[in-house]
Amino acid sequence: DADVTQTPRNRITKTGKRIMLECSQTKGHDRMYWYRQDPGLGLRLIYYSFDVKDINKGEISDGYSVSRQAQAKFSLSLESAIPNQTALYFCATSEGSSYEQYFGPGTRLTVT
Amino acid sequence: GEDVEQSLFLSVREGDSSVINCTYTDSSSTYLYWYKQEPGAGLQLLTYIFSNMDMKQDQRLTVLLNKKDKHLSLRIADTQTGDSAIYFCAEGSNTGGFKTIFGAGTRLFVKA
Repeated sequence: DADVTQTPRNRITKTGKRIMLECSQTKGHDRMYWYRQDPGLGLRLIYYSFDVKDINKGEISDGYSVSRQAQAKFSLSLESAIPNQTALYFCATSEGSSYEQYFGPGTRLTVT
Repeated sequence: GEDVEQSLFLSVREGDSSVINCTYTDSSSTYLYWYKQEPGAGLQLLTYIFSNMDMKQDQRLTVLLNKKDKHLSLRIADTQTGDSAIYFCAEGSNTGGFKTIFGAGTRLFVKA
């Protein structure tokens, strides 16, 4: 079984809808991250959490919110989706100050 | 702010060597990484180098770091069709809560 899972894997939604993307991990890592990937722009950090009570904004947090429900779960919400939020979204985890991040398979979100 | 730049495409013939280049701006970078993304999947750490090293070799992979010029390269010897993927350069720093900044990714095409 995958260590980092994301649901859903694909989602098409309309402008103005609320969307939640979920991430779960079985690695026991304390740190979790949400990134979005756009062609030619690489990965940009949306939010990150170093433990359950610690939530931090990343480079592009506007229009997004997160919830760390447990050490193993970190969800990303788009309160009112807009077309320029169409992207591939990745969840990642890491342990402490380890250099390695472990990525989920990604969620492809299309906002029409 | 910190930035990581890399060319977007590279095409090589099977059996040749591939060299993917990257430049970064953060002089306080502690770790430099190469991640590989295969189609439909998340990123996986391929290799890394500490900032106090000049070179690291791991089987077919050679990482060269020129800290003075802030230049990182990944050489893949005897490139195979299975090496076709997107390769992301990334830098990590312990300042500001251990951030990782990713480049836009280089798409490697391997021609048989």
